[in-house]
Amino acid sequence: QVQLVQSGPEVKKPGSSVKVSCKTSGGTFNNYAITWVRQAPGQVLEWMGGIIPVFGTTNYAQNFQGRVTITTDESTNTAYMELSSLRSEDTAVYYCARLALAAAGGGYFDYWGQGMLVTVSS
Amino acid sequence: DIQMTQSPSSLSASVGDRVNITCRASQSSSSYLNWYQQKPGKAPKLLIYAASNLRSGVPSRFSGSGSGTDFTLTISGLQPDDFATYYCQQSYGTLLFTFGPGTKVDIK
Repeated sequence: QVQLVQSGPEVKKPGSSVKVSCKTSGGTFNNYAITWVRQAPGQVLEWMGGIIPVFGTTNYAQNFQGRVTITTDESTNTAYMELSSLRSEDTAVYYCARLALAAAGGGYFDYWGQGMLVTVSS
Repeated sequence: DIQMTQSPSSLSASVGDRVNITCRASQSSSSYLNWYQQKPGKAPKLLIYAASNLRSGVPSRFSGSGSGTDFTLTISGLQPDDFATYYCQQSYGTLLFTFGPGTKVDIK
């Protein structure tokens, strides 16, 4: 079955960067897109950005433009999300999700990783 | 960007109740409105995609309707496992998404 397994929790200093991995299995990696969603403690879901591996197309939410980079390694079926210039407000659980693309660019997130806590603290 | 609102933000209901959660988009873009269920400490789960399509394996008491800017998630006969937070999500272009603020359903 389809699984997305994320890397373990991290503690980072303000101003540093974090790179989160998401290894997929059970599906054809290039047939789907991968997106990233975060959730601060007690807060709502916030979409960050996504990538279509077969085209290398990426797009990012305006709130994260310039600070987030999403990449993939097709040899290992792994997606990565790097967030830079970390601040305390970036403390959150970061989720990867598989995006099943549909016509007109729509789609839905059908499988999710387990989430990964990033804590930003001095 | 499209903004999403949900109402109510929270509700208390009893097992067996019929529950309606509404999601409204600031502008109409596509019918790709999806609904997710999230329980504390867990990743969200897809329930409904493209406004009214029930994901395989999701109980038939969940249903979705709507188009344009107004959408509804209905739970017909609330079960103990359904107490959770529900989010709508809209896509408004290639690789462009936004979530609603969520509706928490708890036990009356």
